[in-house]
Amino acid sequence: DTAVSQTPKYLVTQMGNDKSIKCEQNLGHDTMYWYKQDSKKFLKIMFSYNNKELIINETVPNRFSPKSPDKAHLNLHINSLELGDSAVYFCASSQASTGAAVAFFGQGTRLTVV
Amino acid sequence: SQQGEEDPQALSIQEGENATMNCSYKTSINNLQWYRQNSGRGLVHLILIRSNEREKHSGRLRVTLDTSKKSSSLLITASRAADTASYFCATDPNDYKLSFGAGTTVTVRA
Repeated sequence: DTAVSQTPKYLVTQMGNDKSIKCEQNLGHDTMYWYKQDSKKFLKIMFSYNNKELIINETVPNRFSPKSPDKAHLNLHINSLELGDSAVYFCASSQASTGAAVAFFGQGTRLTVV
Repeated sequence: SQQGEEDPQALSIQEGENATMNCSYKTSINNLQWYRQNSGRGLVHLILIRSNEREKHSGRLRVTLDTSKKSSSLLITASRAADTASYFCATDPNDYKLSFGAGTTVTVRA
């Protein structure tokens, strides 16, 4: 059973389009994250949610809108896609309340904007 | 801003040799973690060391932490081809954020 699953794995789309990436975790964790990994492998946090509530928004453009319908799901919708949005997006979850939050990652979504 | 920075950026070693990589960070932490990322995959947690610990072992992994220097090291002993991956340190400036660097890419040659 996959602990953190995100779909799709690959996404190729044209500039200006709107797309969504879905994420689900079956670990019972309270906290979920979206990370962006650029071509140099630098991993940057975008959003952090705890029990469906937004905790962290790391100065991400308004074109990116996360939605958490329940604590097991955190989806990412991106409007008006730009070339610079091309990257690998990772969803992750953890039990942050333990004070030693180990993150479990999905397999990533490689977004290519052409 | 980037919290953890790994050094070196890349490392190539012969199978059976040890691999050492370092991580420096900027702010105070509760814990420091190391993760591995195989090509085309998500990150996998390897080991966590708390701020009041100085050294921790897990199998062939040894992690040290020096909070006075804000640095950590990861040693992989007797490396194998399967250890070829990128390795990231992660720090937790708060409970709901793990900050990563750009990682160290390790290549183990057969």
